[in-house]
Amino acid sequence: AQSVTQLDSQVPVFEEAPVELRCNYSSSVSVYLFWYVQYPNQGLQLLLKYLSGSTLVESINGFEAEFNKSQTSFHLRKPSVHISDTAEYFCAVTFRTASKLTFGTGTRLQVTL
Amino acid sequence: DGGITQSPKYLFRKEGQNVTLSCEQNLNHDAMYWYRQDPGQGLRLIYYSQIVNDFQKGDIAEGYSVSREKKESFPLTVTSAQKNPTAFYLCASSIDWAARAYEQYFGPGTRLTVT
Repeated sequence: AQSVTQLDSQVPVFEEAPVELRCNYSSSVSVYLFWYVQYPNQGLQLLLKYLSGSTLVESINGFEAEFNKSQTSFHLRKPSVHISDTAEYFCAVTFRTASKLTFGTGTRLQVTL
Repeated sequence: DGGITQSPKYLFRKEGQNVTLSCEQNLNHDAMYWYRQDPGQGLRLIYYSQIVNDFQKGDIAEGYSVSREKKESFPLTVTSAQKNPTAFYLCASSIDWAARAYEQYFGPGTRLTVT
């Protein structure tokens, strides 16, 4: 079955430190890739997406993710995090053979002073 | 502003009671979805509707029912047949069925607690 794996359920990090949240998916078929962010007791907001073209995509608040086809990965990075980045982050993949959005289990990013 | 509204934000029910969660969108989107979120499990698709007056079961439809009588509304009923109804429920929409693959917008969610 096609699946999305977020190995880290929680990532603690100090403010202004860099962070990487990992996301791997199961199949090498054509995919669309997404990162969503969820603040406590709120819905999901689209952070960034890869549909085609440049493998490096960026968000407006300093996050970036790189599509790596050979490693079937779409890791999320930020060079310097802020307290306000504390949230849960979900990787999601559309496997184009299924055209269905499949979510990972989420990674809780906890930023502290 | 366009968006998706879900009400109420928090809902409490006794076991054995049916409960209906509201989802309204003013984005003029054709397709709408209901997801369930449990800690450590990500989001799972309950039901979806490609267009008004149509809906289909998702991955975990047992114990749930929906209707789509108006384009902007897609209410979800959690029935007494749902064995573990306590969860966070998210409604989403996309401009059309094809866009489900690459552009879904989410509402703020309803947290349902059944005791």
